[in-house]
Amino acid sequence: GQNIDQPTEMTATEGAIVQINCTYQTSGFNGLFWYQQHAGEAPTFLSYNVLDGLEEKGRFSSFLSRSKGYSYLLLKELQMKDSASYLCAALGPLNSGGYQKVTFGTGTKLQVIP
Amino acid sequence: EAGVAQSPRYKIIEKRQSVAFWCNPISGHATLYWYQQILGQGPKLLIQFQNNGVVDDSQLPKDRFSAERLKGVDSTLKIQPAKLEDSAVYLCASSLVAGGDTQYFGPGTRLTVL
Repeated sequence: GQNIDQPTEMTATEGAIVQINCTYQTSGFNGLFWYQQHAGEAPTFLSYNVLDGLEEKGRFSSFLSRSKGYSYLLLKELQMKDSASYLCAALGPLNSGGYQKVTFGTGTKLQVIP
Repeated sequence: EAGVAQSPRYKIIEKRQSVAFWCNPISGHATLYWYQQILGQGPKLLIQFQNNGVVDDSQLPKDRFSAERLKGVDSTLKIQPAKLEDSAVYLCASSLVAGGDTQYFGPGTRLTVL
């Protein structure tokens, strides 16, 4: 089975750095996604990590440690528009159709304050 | 490139009524997903299609929910009869391939069951 844990809510100040953690227990794990979801909107893709380490993409970076079942999303130079929910999603195991399942966590609601 | 289209955007029905949602994925995307997202939670996969075949419907309440993807393009999700706990946003997503590929989400249908 799959178990994904993220903090429910976080608050950070505009211009600061925030780290959103995600721990997972997923059999047949094969990768970790991060999606951003603004209130009332659909999720949009941010990053995908397969190998251990940090991947940087502009103000956003994502880290994965497969041995620890741990990932984090790092947001730098926070802007008010970064207020949103951040969903981590684990890839694996195989479903009945032979394809890998993607299971989403409950999301972390980030509020950026002035 | 056109995104994932869904209709209707909002629907209000009474319990025990039936409802249908429509999704048109991004052209060329073989994999189509239907998710249920209850307020404050992450998306929960209901059903996954690979072309016009079902590859995962393990979390679909089959006594009341049904879905089809005729011709491997657009898809319809139906609920009959609806219950109060079906109130949620129903998200459709598509990806080029299954598994470790970015999912592109539609705007969702917000269903309220009274």
